[in-house]
Parts: sequence; C-alpha cells; structure tokens
Amino acid sequence: KNQVEQSPQSLIILEGKNCTLQCNYTVSPFSNLRWYKQDTGRGPVSLTIMTFSENTKSNGRYTATLDADTKQSSLHITASQLSDSASYICVVSSGGGADGLTFGKGTHLIIQP
Amino acid sequence: GAGVSQSPSNKVTEKGKDVELRCDPISGHTALYWYRQRLGQGLEFLIYFQGNSAPDKSGLPSDRFSAERTGESVSTLTIQRTQQEDSAVYLCASSLDSSEMRQYFGPGTRLTVL
Repeated sequence: KNQVEQSPQSLIILEGKNCTLQCNYTVSPFSNLRWYKQDTGRGPVSLTIMTFSENTKSNGRYTATLDADTKQSSLHITASQLSDSASYICVVSSGGGADGLTFGKGTHLIIQP
Repeated sequence: GAGVSQSPSNKVTEKGKDVELRCDPISGHTALYWYRQRLGQGLEFLIYFQGNSAPDKSGLPSDRFSAERTGESVSTLTIQRTQQEDSAVYLCASSLDSSEMRQYFGPGTRLTVL
C-alpha cells in the first residue's frame, strides 16, 4: 500500500530559527514529490515539485531535498517568519490522474515571536 | 487572474439533508479534482475530471456522493442524505491538464453535519 509519513506531527520554533520537516514514502511507481503549504482555513499552495532526477529545489526560504534511493524528502525553512506558521503537506505522485497521489497528514508548524 | 473559487465557504446542515458544493476552476484548466480533508487527517482524493473524458470516481466513499462538471468549467459536488462523518473541508483543485504537476487549490468549503 502506498504511504507517505511525515514527521514531526507538530513543531514549535522561535521566529528567525531554521527547521527541517521530514517526509518518508513508500510509493511505487514514483513520478514526483510535492510540498504544499496550507494556512489555517485556506487551500494548500504548492511550494516545490521534484521529479526523480532532482535532488534539491528552492523556493525563497524553502529548500526541498529528495533522496529517491532512500525514499526520503525534507523541507528546510531558513530564518523562519511568523507567516510560516501553517501545515506543510508532502504529496507523492505515481503519475496519471489524481488517484495516483498519496498525501501525507502534514506537519503543523508554529512560529513563535 | 482569479484563482480557484469555491462556494459556499461554510455550510451547516442537518443529518439526512442533501448539500451541493460548487467549484469554479481557473479558466483554461481542463483538469479538476475534488478532495476531502477531515479534521486531523490528510487529504483524500474523491473524484477527477479531465476534459470531456469520463471522470475518475474511484475515490468517492459511497453512492451518496456524486459530482458533475459542465464542459471545462464549473463543477458541483453533491452529497445526498448527509451523515455526521461527512463533516470535513471539501477542497477543489484545478490544473492545466492531467500531465501538469502543479495543482491550484481553492479555499475549500467547510461542511458541518449536525
């Protein structure tokens, strides 16, 4: 069964600090891995999308890594800001339509001033 | 340009009633997806439309759930005889086509079944 596990479930850090969120997956076949940010009461917004051949991709202060051999991905947030408080969802695609997407339950990140 | 919009933003209904949720995708996006997000849970895929092809209904949890899409525009998700376990946020997303990896999500409709 395809699964995406995210850790930690929740995280609280001080503003300005860095943090790293983890995503481990057992999805086959693998097409791409996506990280989304979901603010409370809003729909998810895409941060990064990585295919098999990409092992790092940045979007501003967000940097995602992908190790397709160990089936692990991480999302690193640098110099956190209060607006980074959100849920971060890892999604792995097997390709094809939406039924090929496996969603993680997300990491709930809280940035404290 | 406008993003994906959904209405209503919140819906409270009594158990046993039918509800209709609406999604307006981004203009020109041929692929449209419906997801359900229960409290504390990950996103669940419900149904997927691609152009004029038959929709992929493999995620619909029961025959009480149905969805329609008019051409490549508005979609309506209907839940008949609602149950308390239907309470969730229902999210709609669209993308240029099925091969386009980036999905754009709407703000969701929060459904509460009393």
